[in-house]
Amino acid sequence: DAKTTQPTSMDCAEGRAANLPCNHSTISGNEYVYWYRQIHSQGPQYIIHGLKNNETNEMASLIITEDRKSSTLILPHATLRDTAVYYCIVRSSGGSNYKLTFGKGTLLTVNP
Amino acid sequence: DSGVTQTPKHLITATGQRVTLRCSPRSGDLSVYWYQQSLDQGLQFLIQYYNGEERAKGNILERFSAQQFPDLHSELNLSSLELGDSALYFCASSVGGDGTGELFFGEGSRLTVL
Repeated sequence: DAKTTQPTSMDCAEGRAANLPCNHSTISGNEYVYWYRQIHSQGPQYIIHGLKNNETNEMASLIITEDRKSSTLILPHATLRDTAVYYCIVRSSGGSNYKLTFGKGTLLTVNP
Repeated sequence: DSGVTQTPKHLITATGQRVTLRCSPRSGDLSVYWYQQSLDQGLQFLIQYYNGEERAKGNILERFSAQQFPDLHSELNLSSLELGDSALYFCASSVGGDGTGELFFGEGSRLTVL
């Protein structure tokens, strides 16, 4: 799987949009970008994933650049409960690669 | 609630002992994954089973073993425990085993080895 680079930490004001960047410059054509988050010591929670098109669900939006070398997760109206470590993961589909490889992630702190 | 159930939630034991962690996947999910999370190592993939068969292996020690039973629940066995095995152990499940789709994680089993 391609490696990802994320900032170690970010702050965001409650009610504002949180934009979490991720670089994955070595991503290959069949690799998806996944985002998970982990609220302190709880199990990781799936947020969203995409291949090349931008994606949106009830939790967040995922913007992937045209060259697919980076992406941004957007939480449109951050709340205190969004304080968590956010993991950007690149994962290939098919074959025998079934695992998610978690890096260090970004600690997002939402401030009141 | 992810639908993945892990027991026990907390476990304290001594070095040299053996423990078994149990995971019940979401209804209908055929794949089970085990992850270890310690303070200094982050989330480490251990092993994956799909419909009873081992599919992928990660950084799992020889002292650790796992299996998935016909009813799809899984157990992770940790033996000859060392202090460094103290960690959170997460189980996750997914519908298929083709590498796409989301994983649903349980709340973890916290193991403390004294």
